[in-house]
Amino acid sequence: GDSVTQMEGPVTLSEEAFLTINCTYTATGYPSLFWYVQYPGEGLQLLLKATKADDKGSNKGFEATYRKETTSFHLEKGSVQVSDSAVYFCAGGDNFNKFYFGSGTKLNVKP
Amino acid sequence: SQTIHQWPATLVQPVGSPLSLECTVEGTSNPNLYWYRQAAGRGLQLLFYSVGIGQISSEVPQNLSASRPQDRQFILSSKKLLLSDSGFYLCAWSRGRGINEQFFGPGTRLTVL
Repeated sequence: GDSVTQMEGPVTLSEEAFLTINCTYTATGYPSLFWYVQYPGEGLQLLLKATKADDKGSNKGFEATYRKETTSFHLEKGSVQVSDSAVYFCAGGDNFNKFYFGSGTKLNVKP
Repeated sequence: SQTIHQWPATLVQPVGSPLSLECTVEGTSNPNLYWYRQAAGRGLQLLFYSVGIGQISSEVPQNLSASRPQDRQFILSSKKLLLSDSGFYLCAWSRGRGINEQFFGPGTRLTVL
């Protein structure tokens, strides 16, 4: 079935470091792709999305580009802050609006 | 604007007791509704989803059930809880047509003792 695979965590960075969290997808069709963020004890919040190949989603300094040729949707941020510490989930959505989520990557940013 | 509510926020229940978790959405009509479970330190497992009143699809056979008595109300139930039912339960909604982002509620932390 359709799925996404994201890099294992935790990822620990110093403040202002560059962030990359890898995500690749496997799908029979052309899914929409999403990144969600979860802060401790809370639900998931949509961070960004892309609906077709070569689309770039961006929000709050985070970016991800839908790469059909590498079936990837890697999350990047040029300069992380302590407040970015959270768990990040990559997800894909199919035509029936059923999502499939990655296992999550915990990010720790140290001052 | 749309909002999604879940209650209770936390729940501690003994093994074998019943369960009822409620989710309501405001500010939209005919949403798709979803129940997920997140075990500690793990990803999300889709339990049920619904595209309309009385229409429930189950993704994982288990001792849980879901109902949608009203357009914007989604209920997760169990007649007898198991230890393995402990986790963080998340409700989500999305617009009905096309591939649309899902919006999540604040979650319910369930501990079964």
